[in-house]
Amino acid sequence: EVQLVQSGAEVKKPGESLRISCKGSGYNFPNYWINWVRQMPGKGLEWMGRINPSDSYINYSPSFRDHVTISTDKSISTAYLQWSSLKASDTAMYYCARQTSDYYLDSWGQGTLVTVSS
Amino acid sequence: QSALTQPVSVSGSPGQSITISCTGTNSDIGAYNYVSWYRQHPGKAPQLMIYEVTNRPSGLSNRFSGSKSGNTASLTISGLQAEDEGDYYCSSYTNSSPLLFGGGTKLTVL
Repeated sequence: EVQLVQSGAEVKKPGESLRISCKGSGYNFPNYWINWVRQMPGKGLEWMGRINPSDSYINYSPSFRDHVTISTDKSISTAYLQWSSLKASDTAMYYCARQTSDYYLDSWGQGTLVTVSS
Repeated sequence: QSALTQPVSVSGSPGQSITISCTGTNSDIGAYNYVSWYRQHPGKAPQLMIYEVTNRPSGLSNRFSGSKSGNTASLTISGLQAEDEGDYYCSSYTNSSPLLFGGGTKLTVL
């Protein structure tokens, strides 16, 4: 069974750094892109970017490129999303999702809630 | 890049059919057959419902169907059931981004 398991909820202060994770299992991790999707409270889905675990090639949405970093460690089948300096506006649920070669997301993590508040 | 355009809400009674539209441009929906649809129940992760415009994932009810005409894709749900309630999102590949979501549509079963 394909599974993406994300790290737990986080509460941080503005200016702090953070890295959340997404661990894949039940499939050959390097063969599928991992995407990150943001959902702010009460709002819709926003595509943030994706990484190819086989070669670490990354595409970022222009809206997120300068504020987050996507990375992966294929040896442990894990992808990461990180911030060096959080803002209150980063408060959201963050999902990772597996992407097939045909640009759809066929399996999703359970989500990681990030709360940034002073 | 602006989100694909979806109606904010749609509703229908049990047993009826409803259609949710998703309008883009000739740089995304109009240019590629990489439209997918996702359903999200409250507090849950999204779930893939339709991919490549018309295809259903294995095990998904055939009450769900997808189509496309020009720059607009559509999701039709027939024989509406209470469990179909939720938020529905379309997405498409675009010529400047691998993925672009619609704003989402809240489906209410009356």
